[in-house]
Amino acid sequence: DTGVSQDPRHKITKRGQNVTFRCDPISEHNRLYWYRQTLGQGPEFLTYFQNEAQLEKSRLLSDRFSAERPKGSFSTLEIQRTEQGDSAMYLCASSYLPDKEETQYFGPGTRLLVL
Amino acid sequence: EDQVTQSPEALRLQEGESSSLNCSYTVSGLRGLFWYRQDPGKGPEFLFTLYSAGEEKEKERLKATLTKKESFLHITAPKPEDSATYLCALLTGGGNKLTFGTGTQLKVEL
Repeated sequence: DTGVSQDPRHKITKRGQNVTFRCDPISEHNRLYWYRQTLGQGPEFLTYFQNEAQLEKSRLLSDRFSAERPKGSFSTLEIQRTEQGDSAMYLCASSYLPDKEETQYFGPGTRLLVL
Repeated sequence: EDQVTQSPEALRLQEGESSSLNCSYTVSGLRGLFWYRQDPGKGPEFLFTLYSAGEEKEKERLKATLTKKESFLHITAPKPEDSATYLCALLTGGGNKLTFGTGTQLKVEL
């Protein structure tokens, strides 16, 4: 299976701790996206990369959140000083430019619970 | 601001009972409308992309259509395995983010 992969799938942490999630996109996909989804809601955009450049960030992405894609392949999303409101499913997606359909393919997500 | 609304929020069907899900939107510069399926605890699975009014796409028991104000996902003779949340998402303007609706939770019963 060569789909988007995410690690870990589940993370439980205590308030105030830092957490880091990893996303491996579909091979050769040059665009990578992070979304957050809470129960009963659709995914909300956080940020996206084209190759290693971070081109857009949502206002949802507070100073405690940082994302990197150092070599244009995998990406990490770090949350510092976690809060209970950070509990959500964190989804990664990738797409290929110049695919005219601009389809974003999603990974299985990382479910974060902050106690 | 771009807005997308899905209805109904939840839908229960008997196996074989056809129906339609609605996605209505108000946006500036629609570049694409996407339908995804999401099973509990999993990431969204891509179904269709529609680009212009009048366009239709089909896959097995699903058919997606698009007008200037809304999209429909028609489900013909559904089976229990079609039970999932169906999400509609828009790609608009010059950006690359998807704006999602809240989804329709579909349950198909025997």
